[in-house]
Parts: sequence; C-alpha cells; structure tokens
Amino acid sequence: DARVTQTPRDKVTEMGQEVTMRCQPILGHNTVFWYRQTMMQGLELLAYFRNRAPLDDSGMPKDRFSAEMPDATLATLKIQPSEPRDSAVYFCASGSAGRGHMSYNEQFFGPGTRLTVL
Amino acid sequence: GENVEQHPSTLSVQEGDSAVIKCTYSDSASNYFPWYKQELGKRPQLIIDIRSNVGEKKDQRIAVTLNKTAKHFSLHITETQPEDSAVYFCAAHNTDKLIFGTGTRLQVFP
Repeated sequence: DARVTQTPRDKVTEMGQEVTMRCQPILGHNTVFWYRQTMMQGLELLAYFRNRAPLDDSGMPKDRFSAEMPDATLATLKIQPSEPRDSAVYFCASGSAGRGHMSYNEQFFGPGTRLTVL
Repeated sequence: GENVEQHPSTLSVQEGDSAVIKCTYSDSASNYFPWYKQELGKRPQLIIDIRSNVGEKKDQRIAVTLNKTAKHFSLHITETQPEDSAVYFCAAHNTDKLIFGTGTRLQVFP
C-alpha cells in the first residue's frame, strides 16, 4: 500500500554542517507537513504546504531552517548550519484536503529521519 | 490558537484491564479529532478518529468519545494486551493543521 517515504533514515553530522532531509508524499496527496520529535515527546509542527505552497512555517527557526517543495513528489527540509540542539527525529506527513476549512483527512506519517548533530 | 492538553502522561495497567486517556481542547472551531499510536522507534499511526458531528465511535477494543460542550475527548481501550504498549497522541484539527497533545505512554503488564 502507498506510504510516505523519507531519506535518509539516519543522519549523523557535525555541528555547523548542512543537513537536507527529503520526503516523498503519497501520490495524490496535496498537503505535506514537517514535524520534529525529541525523546518521544510531542510532535512539534515546523511547517506545512498545500499544493506545494507554504502555508505556515511559524514553527521553524527561520535563521537556520528552510522548507521547500520543488515538485509535487518531493519536499525538503534543510538545516544550515546544524547545531546539537537540532538532534531529533524529523517526521514528514502527507494528507489530502479540499477547499474550505471543513475539509480534512488523515495524515500519514513517514518513517522519520533520526538526526544526530555532534 | 488551539491548545490540546492530554492526561495522564504515563499509564500502567494490568493485561485485561481498561485504559482511558483524556484530552481537552480550547477552540470550539476544531472539528476533527484523531488518535495516533506510536510504538518505540516507529512512525505515528492513526488508530481511530472522530468528527465533530459524532459523539462516540468504536472499533473493536478501542473507542473514542467526544463532548463538544465541554471540549474534551477520550480514548478507551478495553481488554488491554501487551501489544497495546506504546505512546498515544490525541490531536485536534484546526485551521488546516493538527494540534497534538503531549502524548501518553501506556504500559500493559502481562
């Protein structure tokens, strides 16, 4: 069955290095979310897109994080420069939503990228 | 904006007992309430959801209830099994996005 995929699954890097995480949403889904989770804590929303347009990135530290959707099959989350406090699991999720505030559907999560910044 | 509170943060039960997790939300405009289960090292997965026009929904051993007036919703797991051990997250849908609770770690002891 269709699943959200994320690469890489694990990333270890040194402080100051650039990190790029990739997500392939389920084909046909028009909404993509990026979450961060630390030590099995809550899911912190970083940014989300609908039809490739960024709707909200208020959860992201703007000075070092950036999120893009170059096309409908790829979403990226970049950290430059990375810091030890960025160590976490980053989840991508996708869903489909129609027009209007009453449309909503399940969000399907990818397997996550475990990032360790030394 | 919406705020979701979840209790308890940890819950230990004996196999076969019931488990109840409660969430409250602040914005009456929220209209969809999913529950996700996350096993250690795995992705969160939807286990049940309820929409604001329904008061209760059941799927085998799990059920969710919604009280719109009081703005709270609950997850009920009956006849718990060791494989129910996981972290459970509630969420409320509000203005295009899900606002998640902080999670409940459920441990079911054999």
